[in-house]
Amino acid sequence: KAGVTQTPRYLIKTRGQQVTLSCSPISGHRSVSWYQQTPGQGLQFLFEYFSETQRNKGNFPGRFSGRQFSNSRSEMNVSTLELGDSALYLCASSLTGPHNEQFFGPGTRLTVL
Amino acid sequence: SQQGEEDPQALSIQEGENATMNCSYKTSINNLQWYRQNSGRGLVHLILIRSNEREKHSGRLRVTLDTSKKSSSLLITASRAADTASYFCATGNTDKLIFGTGTRLQVFP
Repeated sequence: KAGVTQTPRYLIKTRGQQVTLSCSPISGHRSVSWYQQTPGQGLQFLFEYFSETQRNKGNFPGRFSGRQFSNSRSEMNVSTLELGDSALYLCASSLTGPHNEQFFGPGTRLTVL
Repeated sequence: SQQGEEDPQALSIQEGENATMNCSYKTSINNLQWYRQNSGRGLVHLILIRSNEREKHSGRLRVTLDTSKKSSSLLITASRAADTASYFCATGNTDKLIFGTGTRLQVFP
């Protein structure tokens, strides 16, 4: 079974731009969660989607948004980028939700200049 | 904000020694999970222990859970250089997984 894939792996943007990250879950997994990882804040939960519906959202500003498609692939978007958005963005998929075993992708390293 | 605090923040040992990491959390949980992360890559799930379980084993891993103290420990026996990584506990409830601060383990050959 193919693992979770994330594209792109690396991204460099400038302040004020927007970015879209993509995540393809393991086949059959309907739950996709997104996390932001930074040295200062650690791993922070962004949001979780299940069957195209956002079920839960972390404590992030509205500049962070996401969606899930009917094939369970998910995208997250960050608008009006700030320097502090530089981070490793990880997506994870699971069968039923984040309370069960999650399978992580390799992450997208976003650098905001 | 993070649910779990891990202790120690960093740990250095020799190959063959055992490594113990501790995790404390704040609220009630359905389960507690441990993950490993190698050098800025994605996380790998190690083990899940449910709130009604006290101990669980998987290969060289042993996890304990004390819900009365809101704490868990991860023991890696007979460590290897390949165990060098960051280890995170994560508490699960019905809608989200909250990660701890992590322990950075260095195993010297």
